[in-house]
Parts: sequence; C-alpha cells; structure tokens
Amino acid sequence: AQSVSQHNHHVILSEAASLELGCNYSYGGTVNLFWYVQYPGQHLQLLLKYFSGDPLVKGIKGFEAEFIKSKFSFNLRKPSVQWSDTAEYFCAVNGNFNKFYFGSGTKLNVKP
Amino acid sequence: DADVTQTPRNRITKTGKRIMLECSQTKGHDRMYWYRQDPGLGLRLIYYSFDVKDINKGEISDGYSVSRQAQAKFSLSLESAIPNQTALYFCATSDFGQGSNNEQFFGPGTRLTVL
Repeated sequence: AQSVSQHNHHVILSEAASLELGCNYSYGGTVNLFWYVQYPGQHLQLLLKYFSGDPLVKGIKGFEAEFIKSKFSFNLRKPSVQWSDTAEYFCAVNGNFNKFYFGSGTKLNVKP
Repeated sequence: DADVTQTPRNRITKTGKRIMLECSQTKGHDRMYWYRQDPGLGLRLIYYSFDVKDINKGEISDGYSVSRQAQAKFSLSLESAIPNQTALYFCATSDFGQGSNNEQFFGPGTRLTVL
C-alpha cells in the first residue's frame, strides 16, 4: 500500500527565515506528487504539483519542491517565509488508479 | 460560484442519528471523493467514485455509506452517528485521462460534531 510521511508536524519560524518541509512516500511505480496548503478555516488548495520532467517544480507564492526519485522524497521549500504563509501543508501522492494518499500534515506558524 | 460545494457547512447531531452530507460539483469531473480530516492524521479517504456506477471503499469506510446520484452529486451518509465520527469532512473531485492533470479540487468542508 502507498503511504506518505511528513516528518515535521509543527514548525515555527520567524519572518524571512527559510523553510523546508519534508515529504517521503512509499510506492514503487510512477507517481504524481502534490503539495496542498490549508489556510486557517479554509479548504485545501493546490500549491504545486509534479508529474514528469524537471524535478524542481515551482508553485504559487514563491514555493518550490524537488522530486528526488532515489530518495522517494518531494520536499517543499521557500527561501523567505511571510506571516501570511501560516497554514497547514499537506503532501499527497497519486499513483495507483488515481487514488490519493495524504500525509498527516505540517502546521507552519510564522511569527511576524 | 464555487466549483465544489458542500452542505451543510456545520452540523451538530446526537449519537445514533442518521445524517447525510451532500456534495455537488460544476467542474464536470467524473471522479469524486470523500475524506475526513482529524488533527494530526491528515486526510483519510472514506469512499471514492470514478463514475456514477463505480463506487469504492477507501481506508476508513466502516460506519459510512455513499450515493452517487449523478455525475455532479456525491452524498456521504452516517447511518448511526457516533462521537468518534466528529471531524471535518471534505469532498473532492478530479479529472482523469489524457490531457488532465489529475489535480484534486476540494469543497469548503463540513464540520460535523456528534454528541
């Protein structure tokens, strides 16, 4: 069965600090990879996605993620966070028959 | 107008009651999903449907049932609600096939409390 692990459950940063959130998945086949963001009180929104091609994917709001196939990882990064990035971030994998598997989420708190 | 809508947005009910959560979409997608979100557990798949005649159990389907009334509508029912079904429930849709990007689109969520 597929699974998705997010190692950081809660991250606290000051504004302008750099961010990296870890995501590892277990699935041997071809996968599509996603990062979703959930702002307080809102539904999930797509941040970025990887299907094929360049393993470095750029998303909205200055976020990017790198797919490293050998490590089964898809880590999310942002060079300089803002207070408005305070949210919960979910990594997701879509492989077999378009079923999606989500990680447990990482809550990011950015201090102004 | 929102592409994926859920009703109700909030519901408080009592143990043993039957409750239905509804989801409608205007995206024209064939695939629809129901998830529940619990703190620290992320989203877990309850049921999914790849078209009107195709319904499948997800990882946590016990205590739930679904109905795909039309391509645009996918309802989730709790036949006899229990307190540990208190959660935030999300409906999602996705397209599939050549030319699609397999992204999931989420509804605003239904916060359900079972007393």
